[in-house]
Amino acid sequence: QVQLTESGPGLVHPSETLSLTCTVSGFSLTGYSVYWVRQPSGKGLEWMGRMRYNGDTSYNSALKSRLSISRDTSKNQVFLKMNSLQTDDTGTYYCTSYSSYPLFDYWGQGVMVTVSS
Amino acid sequence: DIVLTQAPLSVSVTPGESASISCRSSKSLLSSKGITSLYWYLQRPGKSPQLLIYQMSNLASGVPDRFSSSGSETDFTLKISKVETEDVGVYYCGHRLEYPNTFGAGTKLELK
Repeated sequence: QVQLTESGPGLVHPSETLSLTCTVSGFSLTGYSVYWVRQPSGKGLEWMGRMRYNGDTSYNSALKSRLSISRDTSKNQVFLKMNSLQTDDTGTYYCTSYSSYPLFDYWGQGVMVTVSS
Repeated sequence: DIVLTQAPLSVSVTPGESASISCRSSKSLLSSKGITSLYWYLQRPGKSPQLLIYQMSNLASGVPDRFSSSGSETDFTLKISKVETEDVGVYYCGHRLEYPNTFGAGTKLELK
């Protein structure tokens, strides 16, 4: 079945770089796009960016200067790197894959990231 | 970026009664293909968001027909009839018309 699993450090120090991995199973990264969405603690959802099925990337303009998304199709993994972290980057980070044709909508369980010294 | 404004921010409902949540878009969500790119999600406490409604009015797989959605190009309403305990959580509208996809601020549904 389809699964997405996020992994990464739970604690990052201010000004450092966050590195997260999304490992997928049950579908191919060359067939479906993968997105990163984050949720600051107690707040709503923020779309961060995507790795398109063909390898193209798109980023939220508010994060673009700090954010990079890449992938390794042989390992079924998508990576997120975001630099210059601050305390307001604290929250849960989700990877998700969705499509309307065919209908496809799956989310990982999320990974909690705390930015603190 | 497209701004989605939800109302109310919270709603308290007696089990068995109905609830409605509004979502207003700053831009038409009607695509060039004639599809309205508006989605509804439910995030239960401690869980990831799950898709309820896609393309404004279509129920996702496994979603009970107590949920329905309708609207125009910019104004949308999610209706939950006969609210049950399992409906508690935060409801988000979202769009996929262009990048960045964005979400509303969420509406918290709780039971009286």
